[in-house]
Amino acid sequence: KAGVTQTPRYLIKTRGQQVTLSCSPISGHRSVSWYQQTPGQGLQFLFEYFSETQRNKGNFPGRFSGRQFSNSRSEMNVSTLELGDSALYLCASSPRTGAGEQYFGPGTRLTVT
Amino acid sequence: GESVGLHLPTLSVQEGDNSIINCAYSNSASDYFIWYKQESGKGPQFIIDIRSNMDKRQGQRVTVLLNKTVKHLSLQIAATQPGDSAVYFCAEKRANNAGNMLTFGGGTRLMVKP
Repeated sequence: KAGVTQTPRYLIKTRGQQVTLSCSPISGHRSVSWYQQTPGQGLQFLFEYFSETQRNKGNFPGRFSGRQFSNSRSEMNVSTLELGDSALYLCASSPRTGAGEQYFGPGTRLTVT
Repeated sequence: GESVGLHLPTLSVQEGDNSIINCAYSNSASDYFIWYKQESGKGPQFIIDIRSNMDKRQGQRVTVLLNKTVKHLSLQIAATQPGDSAVYFCAEKRANNAGNMLTFGGGTRLMVKP
């Protein structure tokens, strides 16, 4: 099976702009989670989607949003970008729910200037 | 607040030796504990998990130990190889969460000397 894919891999944006990141989970996986990884804060949970519904949400401002499509592909959007949003954004999919076993993509490296 | 943390930020071992990576957690209401490995330029890779009702679980060259009395989790890697060099994260899933939301520790960098 193909792994989790994320596009784009690298992105440079300017403060105030918005950005949309895309994730395609492993075939058959219905749960998709998003994490932000920074040197200072480590890996932090953003949100999780399951069957097109947001099931969990982390402690991030409303500028961060996401959605999931009927084919389980997911997108996350960050509006009004701030310098502090520079990070590696990781998507993970899971074959089952409630166990914590997740498979991560390579991430999208977002740089905000 | 409650968090999952690690004792050591960097661990250096000789190739062929066994490695032990430790993790302390503070939330007793977690039902799964998971170890991930992250190599440079890649996303975290699932290694092994353990349910909270277990004390030990073994995989290929890896063993995870869970001590609920002292809220301590460890990952043992047997016969450490250069390919094991990476950052290792422990993570927990809270029992009151029906989904897959994970709380990660800060990570330990494992360096394997040839």
